[in-house]
Amino acid sequence: EVQLVESGGGLVQPGGSLRLSCAATGFSLSDYYMNWARQSPGKGLEWVGRSRDKAHSYTAEYAASVKGRFSISRDDSDNSMYLQMDSLKTEDTAVYYCGRDVLRDRKWHAFEIWGRGTTVTVSS
Amino acid sequence: DIQMTQSPSSLSASVGDRVTITCRASQGIGNLLAWFQQKPGKAPKSLIYAASGLQSGVPSRFSGSGSGTDFSLTISSLQPEDFATYYCQQYKTYPFTFGPGTKVDI
Repeated sequence: EVQLVESGGGLVQPGGSLRLSCAATGFSLSDYYMNWARQSPGKGLEWVGRSRDKAHSYTAEYAASVKGRFSISRDDSDNSMYLQMDSLKTEDTAVYYCGRDVLRDRKWHAFEIWGRGTTVTVSS
Repeated sequence: DIQMTQSPSSLSASVGDRVTITCRASQGIGNLLAWFQQKPGKAPKSLIYAASGLQSGVPSRFSGSGSGTDFSLTISSLQPEDFATYYCQQYKTYPFTFGPGTKVDI
């Protein structure tokens, strides 16, 4: 079964760091473009960043709100993707989701599959 | 950044109703638009890709249309399990942006 499972969320103080994981089962993560998105309590969805596939050297793009503070990485041996979050702010409090893109007609289409999410709370 | 708007922000409907939600992009995005369904406390679920492509396993009562700046999601006959919030998203240009959502309730 194709599945994504996020982990690593928790309570962290402002200015702190956290690393989220997104573990894939049922497919090889290295073959896919992958995304992170987040949803603040009671709010809508916000795209956080995208990592291209191994063929494109896992290069990444980020939302302006997290650029320079967050970074996406991958580990082929674990079939996992990570979101390193540094210099956290209270406004980073959210449920964080990872999502897999799908390649159709030579174009990558975003968020075909979503994980269940992991909750990050930034508070003193 | 490309701004996405949705209308209405919420609507009340009955089982069996035909429901249409519209999404507008602040600039042309071709057909690089997706629709998602989200129920309370759950992760979003992909319904439509490339404006009109139905994701595998999604019931045929869901359909999408549009290109450029104006798009729509139609549910031909609303079922009890369709009461949820619906989001559109453009993935033409970084940063990808979501619409604010449309809540469909009874």
